[in-house]
Amino acid sequence: DTEVTQTPKHLVMGMTNKKSLKCEQHMGHRAMYWYKQKAKKPPELMFVYSYEKLSINESVPSRFSPECPNSSLLNLHLHALQPEDSALYLCASSQLAGGSETQYFGPGTRLLVL
Amino acid sequence: AQSVTQLDSHVSVSEGTPVLLRCNYSSSYSPSLFWYVQHPNKGLQLLLKYTSAATLVKGINGFEAEFKKSETSFHLTKPSAHMSDAAEYFCVVTLSWGKLQFGAGTQVVVTP
Repeated sequence: DTEVTQTPKHLVMGMTNKKSLKCEQHMGHRAMYWYKQKAKKPPELMFVYSYEKLSINESVPSRFSPECPNSSLLNLHLHALQPEDSALYLCASSQLAGGSETQYFGPGTRLLVL
Repeated sequence: AQSVTQLDSHVSVSEGTPVLLRCNYSSSYSPSLFWYVQHPNKGLQLLLKYTSAATLVKGINGFEAEFKKSETSFHLTKPSAHMSDAAEYFCVVTLSWGKLQFGAGTQVVVTP
């Protein structure tokens, strides 16, 4: 089973709201990722967690706050977002971070910031 | 430094005809290369992966890709397109520490 699940599928939020995106995998993977994808563009890496520790932050604004409570779960907390943050947010996981590891992607959360 | 270039932003094929999606890469060492497909409003699905075991890689749904070191290419092919192949395709090379370098993507349109 190579399934990564994400909830919710869709999210609409105002610029003053606080919301969270959730990602889960049960493949025993020790690396998890958040990506942002704008329309007609490839995904852009935001964060990498390796063994539940943040290993890469691609200079993401602090209004995005990741959290990895355990090896199966990855959250992305959202606060005071801007309309330009509207995008598809993808979660991925891999056995380990680096080398030739295959990343498996979830279906994404479509976020609209009003 | 690693990079990947997808040579076509759009490819239009008729159902039942071959599909060719072109990808060139640049790498200072032997790379790992992937093709992913993304259907509208969906996540990315792995089609196939090259890791130096064999230069011809077979993937899911009848797709295959050939790694050609001399041409620094990793083109994706399928003998006969199906309507369900209409999607965005990304050629991807691994960097370090879990980072991936994505190509700009190729949108495939399949006409009946």
